[in-house]
Amino acid sequence: QQQVKQSPQSLIVQKGGISIINCAYENTAFDYFPWYQQFPGKGPALLIAIRPDVSKKKEGRFTISFNKSAKQFSLHIMDSQPGDSATYFCAALWGGTGGFKTIFGAGTRLFVKA
Amino acid sequence: DTGVSQDPRHKITKRGQNVTFRCDPISEHNRLYWYRQTLGQGPEFLTYFQNEAQLEKSRLLSDRFSAERPKGSFSTLEIQRTEQGDSAMYLCASSTDRHYEQYFGPGTRLTVT
Repeated sequence: QQQVKQSPQSLIVQKGGISIINCAYENTAFDYFPWYQQFPGKGPALLIAIRPDVSKKKEGRFTISFNKSAKQFSLHIMDSQPGDSATYFCAALWGGTGGFKTIFGAGTRLFVKA
Repeated sequence: DTGVSQDPRHKITKRGQNVTFRCDPISEHNRLYWYRQTLGQGPEFLTYFQNEAQLEKSRLLSDRFSAERPKGSFSTLEIQRTEQGDSAMYLCASSTDRHYEQYFGPGTRLTVT
């Protein structure tokens, strides 16, 4: 009930292509879904996030699509660049007077070929 | 630099020794989080503070781990009697209490030999 399943584990995309990473969650109490980008030896950096009352959010080349009924969300990176090569993590959070929970996916290693 | 900072960046210790890590959050953030990340995995939540109060602790946080945030600013994470299984990256993040966006520090890489 607390898991966030992320796929694929690794992804190779040609420069200029679209990178798509998917996540699925189980607990409907989650109410915030961020994506993080992490380079080797660095901490995760927040890329983009969405709340479940919105089905799509776009910031620059990054888009989150959210399907509440399927309990799935995905990250699309348009016009992928070699500099996008990193590990991407999805996460799901809920918080309030009842407590706080944050669960990360296992990550997707993206490699963009020049 | 006004981001989250962590010290030290790397720590090598022998099994059985105690270690302490420090995190300085973004100055206006009153929530502070600790995570552990092992190679090839996503961060795992350990604990979080709102101001100086520790409000949530994961079951991952065994009795050898203790975290403090005495004045509601910086925080320390201590691991007593380290074990090889404690080898990981320890990440700190901070946020306000009105927004979920968490901003991570660079992490402390712990190696227990």
